Amino acid sequence: DTAVSQTPKYLVTQMGNDKSIKCEQNLGHDTMYWYKQDSKKFLKIMFSYNNKELIINETVPNRFSPKSPDKAHLNLHINSLELGDSAVYFCASSQDLLGSSYEQYFGPGTRLTVT
Amino acid sequence: GNSVTQMEGPVTLSEEAFLTINCTYTATGYPSLFWYVQYPGEGLQLLLKATKADDKGSNKGFEATYRKETTSFHLEKGSVQVSDSAVYFCALLYKAAGNKLTFGGGTRVLVKP
Repeated sequence: DTAVSQTPKYLVTQMGNDKSIKCEQNLGHDTMYWYKQDSKKFLKIMFSYNNKELIINETVPNRFSPKSPDKAHLNLHINSLELGDSAVYFCASSQDLLGSSYEQYFGPGTRLTVT
Repeated sequence: GNSVTQMEGPVTLSEEAFLTINCTYTATGYPSLFWYVQYPGEGLQLLLKATKADDKGSNKGFEATYRKETTSFHLEKGSVQVSDSAVYFCALLYKAAGNKLTFGGGTRVLVKP
């Protein structure tokens, strides 16, 4: 009964590869997000989707492409992986965008290591 | 733009000591303010929040008051436990900005028995 889940938890891959991280929420929320946490623990938003529509794209390289097949899923595909992509990626969701229930609930994170 | 500044860690305390983590923000208008906690190897959990000036958020013995005049949202706990060892993040959010959370750099807290 995990609220926000991500797969895989760990991902080790080589430079130049293409990989995907999946996120699912069973909270019935309308909005989902991807955040990146670097090695110094600094957290920064990458994308947000509301009802499958892209809302925020925070100057992320276009090698990163989010895809939302439905409201409960927001996947992150990364092409041509680079060393600097090594980080922990967190998915999050919130009930709605502008209403009163906008607290964000985070998944456990996916630790991506590019070698 | 909006930004959040937290005191740098690590903060090392003995059990039952008083904890304060300073957080100040720069923003226009009236953001909502949050504290998130990240326990070792886990994701972020919402600890507490405040949505307007003078609001006090509280949870699990932690408290923080939204101070508009000093643009601060300091986190306090009167008596910490070893289980409070974690990284604490202060964050602000504007609903009109697409619900984007802007985080501080995080403060690592280590509580020793």
